Amino acid sequence: GAVVSQHPSRVICKSGTSVKIECRSLDFQATTMFWYRQFPKQSLMLMATSNEGSKATYEQGVEKDKFLINHASLTLSTLTVTSAHPEDSSFYICSARDPWGGNTEAFFGQGTRLTVV
Amino acid sequence: AQRVTQPEKLLSVFKGAPVELKCNYSYSGSPELFWYVQYSRQRLQLLLRHISRESIKGFTADLNKGETSFHLKKPFAQEEDSAMYYCAHPDQAGTALIFGKGTTLSVSS
Repeated sequence: GAVVSQHPSRVICKSGTSVKIECRSLDFQATTMFWYRQFPKQSLMLMATSNEGSKATYEQGVEKDKFLINHASLTLSTLTVTSAHPEDSSFYICSARDPWGGNTEAFFGQGTRLTVV
Repeated sequence: AQRVTQPEKLLSVFKGAPVELKCNYSYSGSPELFWYVQYSRQRLQLLLRHISRESIKGFTADLNKGETSFHLKKPFAQEEDSAMYYCAHPDQAGTALIFGKGTTLSVSS
């Protein structure tokens, strides 16, 4: 199946700083990628849909100025957590579909564990 | 609004016992449903989708429109089946996946 890679897999940052998380589709092009947040032992919550070459679409309750998304190429989307606070500590997961792969399966990155201290 | 419900947070069974992970949906139109699995320290991966009607790792799931359910079943659980299982459906735009709350399956010997 297709591969989605996230970097870094783990990051610790100080309160007030910004952190960038990268999501790459390694063997396919993705015009759309998705960002999720997962709290411990809880489900994935969709944060936003990242659209190549245009603005991201944010879910209700997600601050777009807090979670900046850029999808500058067909294989890369980035999520920047700005002015991070301890409550932003979470597991962030990206996902993409291979639109030419003949099916609607979504592929997921390995996730990024963010800890804000 | 479209929604899936997984009523059980945790399901504990013994090795060799049958397993049924419940998923109920509320949908207008034809549902498109998936089961995803997340093993410990691994990424989320597709287990089953209702349109394919296939069996993966011994798991099956049948769409029951009368009961609005898409329960995941396996006749004999194995310890390696221990994982978090999510029922999912596409959002209204048909692009992003929306997940149920998930059920942790614990299989012990």
